[in-house]
Amino acid sequence: GNSVTQMEGPVTLSEEAFLTINCTYTATGYPSLFWYVQYPGEGLQLLLKATKADDKGSNKGFEATYRKETTSFHLEKGSVQVSDSAVYFCALPAGGYQKVTFGIGTKLQVIP
Amino acid sequence: NAGVTQTPKFQVLKTGQSMTLQCAQDMNHNSMYWYRQDPGMGLRLIYYSASEGTTDKGEVPNGYNVSRLNKREFSLRLESAAPSQTSVYFCASSEGQGYNEQFFGPGTRLTVL
Repeated sequence: GNSVTQMEGPVTLSEEAFLTINCTYTATGYPSLFWYVQYPGEGLQLLLKATKADDKGSNKGFEATYRKETTSFHLEKGSVQVSDSAVYFCALPAGGYQKVTFGIGTKLQVIP
Repeated sequence: NAGVTQTPKFQVLKTGQSMTLQCAQDMNHNSMYWYRQDPGMGLRLIYYSASEGTTDKGEVPNGYNVSRLNKREFSLRLESAAPSQTSVYFCASSEGQGYNEQFFGPGTRLTVL
């Protein structure tokens, strides 16, 4: 079945630093890919998604490009803020009609 | 529009006790899900319901039962709680197919002593 691998972290960065969180996947076909974010004490919420190869998803200054040649969907942001401190999850459909497989989550801490 | 709501927010149980976690959504979504979140394990799917009247097992269903009461509500029951079920539980809903966004509730933090 489909699976996703992401770096566990934690990742600690200073404010305004560049962020990359790696995500690679194994899938049948070319499924949609997602990044979800979980702020402290809250549930997950969709950050961005890409529905086909070479698509770039973007939101709140974050970007990720769906690269089928490297089966990757790395999350990037050019200048992080303290408010970006959260756990980030890479995800893709699990191969079944309804289910989604989530990565283990990468905790990001941004210090002033 | 409250989205996905869960009750309770926190719960402490003793081993062997039972309880039901409640979840409701007001977005008219067909599909609903229960996940557990544990450190180093990410989110794992316990059960899901593709539509009203249907439920299916996910990755870690043992020790749990679910009920899709109607289109809005999807409950998770622990019949005899065990310390291994200490976790944070999230309910989610979506329009349907796996490529659609899932909307999550705020979670229930459960401790089993």
